[in-house]
Amino acid sequence: DADVTQTPRNRITKTGKRIMLECSQTKGHDRMYWYRQDPGLGLRLIYYSFDVKDINKGEISDGYSVSRQAQAKFSLSLESAIPNQTALYFCATTAGGMNTEAFFGQGTRLTVV
Amino acid sequence: LAKTTQPISMDSYEGQEVNITCSHNNIATNDYITWYQQFPSQGPRFIIQGYKTKVTNEVASLFIPADRKSSTLSLPRVSLSDTAVYYCLVAKANTGNQFYFGTGTSLTVIP
Repeated sequence: DADVTQTPRNRITKTGKRIMLECSQTKGHDRMYWYRQDPGLGLRLIYYSFDVKDINKGEISDGYSVSRQAQAKFSLSLESAIPNQTALYFCATTAGGMNTEAFFGQGTRLTVV
Repeated sequence: LAKTTQPISMDSYEGQEVNITCSHNNIATNDYITWYQQFPSQGPRFIIQGYKTKVTNEVASLFIPADRKSSTLSLPRVSLSDTAVYYCLVAKANTGNQFYFGTGTSLTVIP
């Protein structure tokens, strides 16, 4: 089983719809992250959470919200999807401390039409 | 936030050693240097982490000069399967590492 699982893997949605992307991890780590990737732009940080009670905005949080339901679960919501949110979304987790190794999910390919 | 600069792309022949250099001029004292590899449509995968001098693991070496303003990822004897994008990150350990990725270096290994 994967350490970090994202659902769904692919999704097509219409403009204006609300959509939630889910992420769960079995590493037992406190820190979780959401990124989006667009062609030629690398990965950009949307939100991150260092524990269940902690939520922080990243580089590009506008139009997104998150919920940390438990240590193992971190979901990303698009309240009203728009076409320029079409991208590949990744969830990641790290242990923190002196270790900077992040474990990524397989990604969710979201298309907003 | 320490910004990193890497070459956009590199080509190499199979069997060659590849060195990818990353510049991070405003690295802070408690920042660590980390490299990731990403294949198309997959999440990035951790390669190596270092603070200073040289670190080696089973897949790569990381060279960091004394001033830590740059680092070089060395991949020995690359194969076609090493074709990927390589990201250099500077992340603060302990106090919270937000992991900001840049655009990376696209490495193409040629037969």
